[in-house]
Amino acid sequence: QLVLTQSPSASAALGASVRLTCTLSSGHSSSSIAWHQQQPQKGPRYLMRLDSDGSHRKGDGIPDRFSGSSSGAERYLTISSLQSEDEADYYCQTWASGIWVFGGGTKLTVL
Amino acid sequence: QLQLQESGPGLVKPSETLSLTCAVSGGSISSSSYFWGWIRQPPGKGLEWIGTVYYLGTTYYNTSLQSRLTISADTSKNQFSLKLSSVTAADTAVYYCARIVRAGIIDYFDYWGQGTLVTVSS
Repeated sequence: QLVLTQSPSASAALGASVRLTCTLSSGHSSSSIAWHQQQPQKGPRYLMRLDSDGSHRKGDGIPDRFSGSSSGAERYLTISSLQSEDEADYYCQTWASGIWVFGGGTKLTVL
Repeated sequence: QLQLQESGPGLVKPSETLSLTCAVSGGSISSSSYFWGWIRQPPGKGLEWIGTVYYLGTTYYNTSLQSRLTISADTSKNQFSLKLSSVTAADTAVYYCARIVRAGIIDYFDYWGQGTLVTVSS
């Protein structure tokens, strides 16, 4: 079964960097994912597609502060130079054979 | 710039059918490069994929909702629709429509609507 696992919460200081993790379930370690950001009281926003080799394609207008990387079954979203508007929920998403799956989301707090 | 806009009743009675439409502007749903999807988010919870439609009519449904769900595309109006029957309070959520890029190794959501809250209550 295709499952994406995310830590429920993360925090980092204003101006610092943070790395969020999305883990693919067994047997799906080569799958690509997408990262989405949901700011408070807003709809989700596509950030990037991230492949197993670490290559990523960002959405329109996504700042360079957002980057992605991969290692084994883990997919990472790194946000550098954290700003207050980065405080949001971050969801990873993948797909397999006509089924779309979301991770449970990580709530990022900017201190 | 692609835009998606959900519309439909904000309040539905238990056991009735929830009906929503997503109007697409700035692009055509009749493209072989994309699917079109529905996602929902119960209050305070995460995102749940509901189902997906291709402009030629092919559909994919979340198995947990499949028996109550119908998603269709109307190319003449450049929109797609969701019908969920026999609703209960558990179907109360913000409903989003989104475009899905058919990228081969992954099909992913790249444009989202702003969402519409649907409350199931008598």
